[in-house]
Amino acid sequence: DIQMTQSPSTLSAFVGDRVTITCRASQTISDWLAWYQQKPGKAPKLLIYKASSLESGVPSRFSGSGSGTEFTLTISSLQPDDFATYYCQHYNSYYSFGQGTKLEIK
Amino acid sequence: QVQLVESGGGVVQPGRSLRLSCAASGFTFSSYAMHWVRQAPGKGLEWVALISYDGYNKYYADSVRGRFTISRDNSKNTLYLQMNSLRVEDTAVYYCARVRTGSYLSPFDFWGQGALVTVSS
Repeated sequence: DIQMTQSPSTLSAFVGDRVTITCRASQTISDWLAWYQQKPGKAPKLLIYKASSLESGVPSRFSGSGSGTEFTLTISSLQPDDFATYYCQHYNSYYSFGQGTKLEIK
Repeated sequence: QVQLVESGGGVVQPGRSLRLSCAASGFTFSSYAMHWVRQAPGKGLEWVALISYDGYNKYYADSVRGRFTISRDNSKNTLYLQMNSLRVEDTAVYYCARVRTGSYLSPFDFWGQGALVTVSS
């Protein structure tokens, strides 16, 4: 099974900051990677697919990069609505999620 | 617009069974593979099961294989998850989710609101 490891587990930042979350796969997954945002009590929301493709309707301050085993999600200028938990997911053979990164307001 | 609405959650004793339903609308249900994903209280997301668009192919996480069965009724636009031999560790919010494209190599673009299953004596 492919394991997904995110870092950090928790991230504190100010509105306007640029932040980056990292996701590592235990084996190569090409670019079959997605990022989701989840707010308390809500279902996850797809942000990025195929490692770097922005889902329709998602603000352009979100971007993704990487391939193989190392991936990043970057938010260029944090907005109040962005404070949430973020998950990476691989989908190249079965499916698994990272443990999540909670983005907190500083 | 795409809507997925889960139902059937509740409190059940260990060893008993429960069936979740997910009613789909706003898209051609019979053209999309569907998934179940769960989230234990305060924990991360765990993929549970996948069913092909026609219901012929099914895949399960190791943690539920042999106990859970995913199925669908395309005439009713409904996805199901039959959960047998439930364990305390199956306690979670269960989400149904749609694949973004027709392929299995696809993330999940629409999710239901979730159904809470609590397994407790």
